[in-house]
Amino acid sequence: DGGITQSPKYLFRKEGQNVTLSCEQNLNHDAMYWYRQDPGQGLRLIYYSQIVNDFQKGDIAEGYSVSREKKESFPLTVTSAQKNPTAFYLCASKVREGYNEQFFGPGTRLTVL
Amino acid sequence: AQSVTQPDIHITVSEGASLELRCNYSYGATPYLFWYVQSPGQGLQLLLKYFSGDTLVQGIKGFEAEFKRSQSSFNLRKPSVHWSDAAEYFCAVGILTGGGNKLTFGTGTQLKVEL
Repeated sequence: DGGITQSPKYLFRKEGQNVTLSCEQNLNHDAMYWYRQDPGQGLRLIYYSQIVNDFQKGDIAEGYSVSREKKESFPLTVTSAQKNPTAFYLCASKVREGYNEQFFGPGTRLTVL
Repeated sequence: AQSVTQPDIHITVSEGASLELRCNYSYGATPYLFWYVQSPGQGLQLLLKYFSGDTLVQGIKGFEAEFKRSQSSFNLRKPSVHWSDAAEYFCAVGILTGGGNKLTFGTGTQLKVEL
């Protein structure tokens, strides 16, 4: 079945450590996105990528980094510079052209202790 | 800048009653509009989308939405709510930027269904 996988489902880290969240898709989509979700704030865009080896900052990129070395993969690193990293992180993908909908993965809940 | 407003943070309805979730957007060009649903701890699932044409769009699970340009609204409706509809609902507007297409989301409406 085609879809988006995010691993792990739950992730715990100590304060000051970098952590990388995985996002893989087998939908053959060019565009991929990372969102952060906090209660009462909806989804906020962290980074997005329209094509391999290219990515753009979203609305809240500070303290995060990404790479896009393969079409299928778009990992997100939450660095120690992110002041409040505990949140639910969602990855999405879509075909690059047009305004087609984004498809979402199941999310990773990151808790920084 | 574009924005999406969902004025109702929480809504409670009885099972079998009708439902309307409000969404207002602000965007200078032709909007591309979406409604997504999210169950607790899960990703988002697309309910329906509006790109052009008929302003009343049908979606999955018996939902529909009506685009009203004059009111900058895209409200979601369902004639008879089922207990399984309890979830969080997000309205989003699609925009085109120099870096590509992206979505701006509202803050969501949490739906509770009373049996």
